[in-house]
Amino acid sequence: DTAVSQTPKYLVTQMGNDKSIKCEQNLGHDTMYWYKQDSKKFLKIMFSYNNKELIINETVPNRFSPKSPDKAHLNLHINSLELGDSAVYFCASSHSGRTYGYTFGSGTRLTVV
Amino acid sequence: GEDVEQSLFLSVREGDSSVINCTYTDSSSTYLYWYKQEPGAGLQLLTYIFSNMDMKQDQRLTVLLNKKDKHLSLRIADTQTGDSAIYFCAEYNQGGKLIFGQGTELSVKP
Repeated sequence: DTAVSQTPKYLVTQMGNDKSIKCEQNLGHDTMYWYKQDSKKFLKIMFSYNNKELIINETVPNRFSPKSPDKAHLNLHINSLELGDSAVYFCASSHSGRTYGYTFGSGTRLTVV
Repeated sequence: GEDVEQSLFLSVREGDSSVINCTYTDSSSTYLYWYKQEPGAGLQLLTYIFSNMDMKQDQRLTVLLNKKDKHLSLRIADTQTGDSAIYFCAEYNQGGKLIFGQGTELSVKP
């Protein structure tokens, strides 16, 4: 199946831990994104990578570090997790220069306890 | 600035038409989108419209764009219970970012 896939789907962890979320797309897109959806369903862009290069870096704490080993993968590592990091994190991809919208993964629900 | 606004809730009866409204502030937006999010799922692209168009129809979906008023709407004809979801309006601006509204939760009652 052609898709954007994220793992894990659910992540429950304690405050202070470090965790990673992985994302892979097999759509041949050259741009990937991380979005955060809070408890009120508000979606905010965090990062964007184009061909492994960081192009958008919104006001996000330094504890969040994206890594793109190749243009099909974009991982998100979070250090020293806080309660306020609890949210659903969505990975998305698109083809730069085309405007058919983004294709989203199904999300990772992170709960920090 | 970047701001996309939607009303939070809409309730309709099955078979009626639903109209979900959205306003945006960035006049340089090139494309505007409607996404659907079902519970526990990701966002599914429903349709999009280029900023030089004023209407686009796709089966039961009709998108209307009033660029002067920066107003976008999505009409769903013959709304079904399976249409119950959160609908997000989004604008793609010249900053290269897809900016979302808060989402409108559509509830379809049988």
